[in-house]
Formats: sequence, C-alpha cells, structure tokens
Amino acid sequence: AQSVTQLDSHVSVSEGTPVLLRCNYSSSYSPSLFWYVQHPNKGLQLLLKYTSAATLVKGINGFEAEFKKSETSFHLTKPSAHMSDAAEYFCVVSNRPQYNAGGTSYGKLTFGQGTILTVHP
Amino acid sequence: NAGVTQTPKFRVLKTGQSMTLLCAQDMNHEYMYWYRQDPGMGLRLIHYSVGEGTTAKGEVPDGYNVSRLKKQNFLLGLESAAPSQTSVYFCASSYSRDNYRSGNTIYFGEGSWLTVV
Repeated sequence: AQSVTQLDSHVSVSEGTPVLLRCNYSSSYSPSLFWYVQHPNKGLQLLLKYTSAATLVKGINGFEAEFKKSETSFHLTKPSAHMSDAAEYFCVVSNRPQYNAGGTSYGKLTFGQGTILTVHP
Repeated sequence: NAGVTQTPKFRVLKTGQSMTLLCAQDMNHEYMYWYRQDPGMGLRLIHYSVGEGTTAKGEVPDGYNVSRLKKQNFLLGLESAAPSQTSVYFCASSYSRDNYRSGNTIYFGEGSWLTVV
C-alpha cells in the first residue's frame, strides 16, 4: 500500500522569502515521487519527479525537492518565492505498475491532500 | 499545442440526468485516465484505459462508465447523476503506464466542474 501526507494544508510566505512544502510518504516498494502544481481553474502541471536517480531533484520555476528515504520525506523548496507561485501543490507517489483482475495495469498515483501556497507582497 | 482538452468545462445537472464528459489528447498517448478531485482528498482515479477499445476500473468507479472508441478520445459518462458526483473531473494521458520511466509524464487537462443539484 502507498500513501502520502502533506503536513500543511496552507502555507503563507512573503515574496522573496523561502518556500517549504512538506510531504511524507509511505510505500511498500521504492517509489517514484512527484510534485504537481495547480493554479486556480487550471489543470495540474508537473514540477518535478524523483525516480531513484539523484536524491536532489531540480524542477521548473526554481523549485527543487530532496528524497530522504530514512525520513520517508520529499519536501519541496524554493529559495525565493514569487507572486506567481501562489497555487495549490500536490505531492504524489507511484509504485510500479499494478495489475487488476482484468490483466490491465497502470502505475497507480496516490495524491496528497494538497497544500495551498499564498504569497504576500 | 493543445495537449489534453476536456469539454465541457462547467455543467450543472439535476439529480437523475445523464451526461458525458469528453477528453481528447493529441500526443498519441496509449494511456488515458479520468480522476475526480474533491476538497481535502487530492485526486482519485475513476477509470483508465491502456489503449483503444480497452477500459478498466480505478479506485472509485461506481456510478460512472467510460469508452475509448478512438485512441485520442476518452469519454466519461454519468448515467444517473447524484449529488455525490459533484466534483471537479480531470482527464489525463501518458505515453507509458510505468511512472519509473524518466521520460514518462502524465499530462492533465484543465478540469471539468460538475455540479449535481
């Protein structure tokens, strides 16, 4: 089984200050981990993904995340927040493809509950 | 450069009515998915498809049906809408089922807001 916990439902920062969005995961296998961002009334955009290569993953728009197996964490950071970063962020875990009774399979994605990031001027 | 397109974007239904959400992708992806998003619950998989003519159940399939008659289209149907189906629906597509592949990315549409009264 796999699960994701985003530790903060809301985070508020001032423009130009660091951003930290926290994510802990639980997985029976070595997982793939992702961060997606969702701007209001928009779809989800992939920020970055970890797939067992380098533990420090760099994404788009200056975001990065560090995979820490001992802490089962995958926190998202950015050194300096911008107003355009205001959005909802989702941490996502995926195991290897799982097969259902019909023989089809997919890499199941389990989403966290989301963290809303507010950036103040 | 459309990516994943969903129609309609907004819809209000009365309990018991039926409707179909259409998802279209122009990336020649084999895998397509329908998710629903509810406050505080992230996204949950309703149904998915591994190729033209195939569909399978996800985590929350009850009350929904799907069809994949053409590779680029994935339809989600509600035969008899219920208030519990009020949600935001997202379609997604990907090249591979294996999210371990470094080049595999799941692309999402912009969502369809459905209200059932």
